[in-house]
Amino acid sequence: GQQVMQIPQYQHVQEGEDFTTYCNSSTTLSNIQWYKQRPGGHPVFLIQLVKSGEVKKQKRLTFQFGEAKKNSSLHITATQTTDVGTYFCAGPGGAQKLVFGQGTRLTINP
Amino acid sequence: SAVISQKPSRDICQRGTSLTIQCQVDSQVTMMFWYRQQPGQSLTLIATANQGSEATYESGFVIDKFPISRPNLTFSTLTVSNMSPEDSSIYLCSVSRGTSTDTQYFGPGTRLTVL
Repeated sequence: GQQVMQIPQYQHVQEGEDFTTYCNSSTTLSNIQWYKQRPGGHPVFLIQLVKSGEVKKQKRLTFQFGEAKKNSSLHITATQTTDVGTYFCAGPGGAQKLVFGQGTRLTINP
Repeated sequence: SAVISQKPSRDICQRGTSLTIQCQVDSQVTMMFWYRQQPGQSLTLIATANQGSEATYESGFVIDKFPISRPNLTFSTLTVSNMSPEDSSIYLCSVSRGTSTDTQYFGPGTRLTVL
């Protein structure tokens, strides 16, 4: 079935450094979504990408959808302590379900 | 968006007992889902809660262990039956409007510890 692979599993950075997480699918995706889960919290929707090659920005966060619609990335510029958490990508899993990647846990040294 | 509440927020239970988790949404939604998230892990879909009919379970999850009810478009329950320590996890409900590109909104979760 549908699988969404995400790397790295963990990333530790110094505050102010950049951070990137990558998501790859075994099949072409109609769209991809990104969620953030703060420690002790629940996943919160960040953004959805639909078009091939699409790039969207939210302040210091840049989201990309690959040309083949099989991969995506989230890049954070100049991380801040508020960026701490686990970032999940998710693709459609049929019947309005989502298939989540394994997540990338970001920790930051202030 | 939708405002979702879950009860209880956490519980500690003895093995062999059952716990029912409630999920309430502030507006009518088409789709409701139940997930399990073990510490440090990703989200695993347990089932889709269908209004007025039996839930649709994912591979590895069965109705006898995780009975689900959805009596209307704003409420669902998940029961974890005959619990064992392996059931210790966070259980999350989520909702969506049900289109193929729709986002999901998650409840705050129920942290379950089974002794």
